[in-house]
Amino acid sequence: SQTIHQWPATLVQPVGSPLSLECTVEGTSNPNLYWYRQAAGRGLQLLFYSVGIGQISSEVPQNLSASRPQDRQFILSSKKLLLSDSGFYLCAWSRPDRSFQPQHFGDGTRLSIL
Amino acid sequence: AQSVAQPEDQVNVAEGNPLTVKCTYSVSGNPYLFWYVQYPNRGLQFLLKYITGDNLVKGSYGFEAEFNKSQTSFHLKKPSALVSDSALYFCAVRDKSWRGNTGKLIFGQGTTLQVKP
Repeated sequence: SQTIHQWPATLVQPVGSPLSLECTVEGTSNPNLYWYRQAAGRGLQLLFYSVGIGQISSEVPQNLSASRPQDRQFILSSKKLLLSDSGFYLCAWSRPDRSFQPQHFGDGTRLSIL
Repeated sequence: AQSVAQPEDQVNVAEGNPLTVKCTYSVSGNPYLFWYVQYPNRGLQFLLKYITGDNLVKGSYGFEAEFNKSQTSFHLKKPSALVSDSALYFCAVRDKSWRGNTGKLIFGQGTTLQVKP
């Protein structure tokens, strides 16, 4: 069966510090991968998605970047965090071979910026 | 433009009563629709999907959803609510604005379900 892991679960960082959040998927190959941010326990904002190694699409201009150095690894980064980067970050994957397959989510990283 | 709307921020229901969480959509062509549930400080869990076929779709934890093409709705239902069903529920539709299979979804804003004992 497939599993998705995100870490860390919680993170407290000062303004201006760098960020690296990691997401890995097991039990499948060539997944579509996604990073979302959820503010105040409500709606989801799609930040990035990737359909293959090195292929990153950005949905909104912002202070964050994403990379996919390996097939099942997706990294969210920032060089200098802003207060507005606080939120709950979720990684998800889906199968690429069927457009009607659901996305499956990790348990998220709660990021607080001080 | 494609969109999903969840018109209620919160739904309150007594334990044992039936529940409905509403969702309407706007998409060209045939929609692929999904429901997810999110418990506090957790990721979203997939409940059920509609792709084609029967308008009544059964999913996890006793939930079902009714697809209504004429009303462009996909309401989530459960015959008898449990306190443990209290959570945040999201409706989503497959984003068909891009060629190829990116698997992107468009999510509603979420509805908080509160089931009281």
